[in-house]
Amino acid sequence: DIQMTQSPSTLSASVGDRVTITCRASQSISTWLAWYQQKPGKAPKLLIYKASSLESGAPSRFSGSGSGTEFTLTINGLQPDDFATYFCQHYNSFLWTFGQGTKVEIK
Amino acid sequence: QLQLQESGPGLVKPSETLSLTCIVSGGSITRSSYYWGWIRQPPGKGLEWIGSIYYSESPHYNPSLKSRVTISEHTSENQISLKLSSVTAADTAVYYCARHNGDYRVEYFDCWGQGTLVTVSS
Repeated sequence: DIQMTQSPSTLSASVGDRVTITCRASQSISTWLAWYQQKPGKAPKLLIYKASSLESGAPSRFSGSGSGTEFTLTINGLQPDDFATYFCQHYNSFLWTFGQGTKVEIK
Repeated sequence: QLQLQESGPGLVKPSETLSLTCIVSGGSITRSSYYWGWIRQPPGKGLEWIGSIYYSESPHYNPSLKSRVTISEHTSENQISLKLSSVTAADTAVYYCARHNGDYRVEYFDCWGQGTLVTVSS
């Protein structure tokens, strides 16, 4: 099975900061990676798919990059609405795996 | 506009079967080309994929849950159901249904229900 490891688990940042979250796969997954944002008590919301494609309606300050085993989610100019937990997710042969999550907190 | 709504008992006794329904509105589960999935999240923890189904095909299940899970489609009601047998406290979680999407129709989840909390307790 392919394991997905996110880092860091918690991140403290200020409004306006550039924030980077990393997701590593235990073996190459091409660009089969998505990123989600989840706020307390709410369902996850798709931000990025296919590693770097921005979901319709997601703010352009969110971007994704990477291929193979290492991927990043970047938030350029953190906004108050962005304090949340972020999850990566991989798909392979009818198996879907999530990373453990990164909580972005107010510094 | 597509909407998904989970429904079912919020409390289930240990060893019993958890049964949930996902009501799909704003789109047909049979006339569309989408897979539909169930994902759960224990309180304060991460997301775990449970299983997924596509109209008229056999479902796909998480190997760690496969022996206890049944996902079915109910086309006349436009609903997807989840049954999880022999539950324990470890199955306490918020359960979400979601629509798959992607170049191959399956890679990610682009529309989610609001989720429903199921507590396993006597």
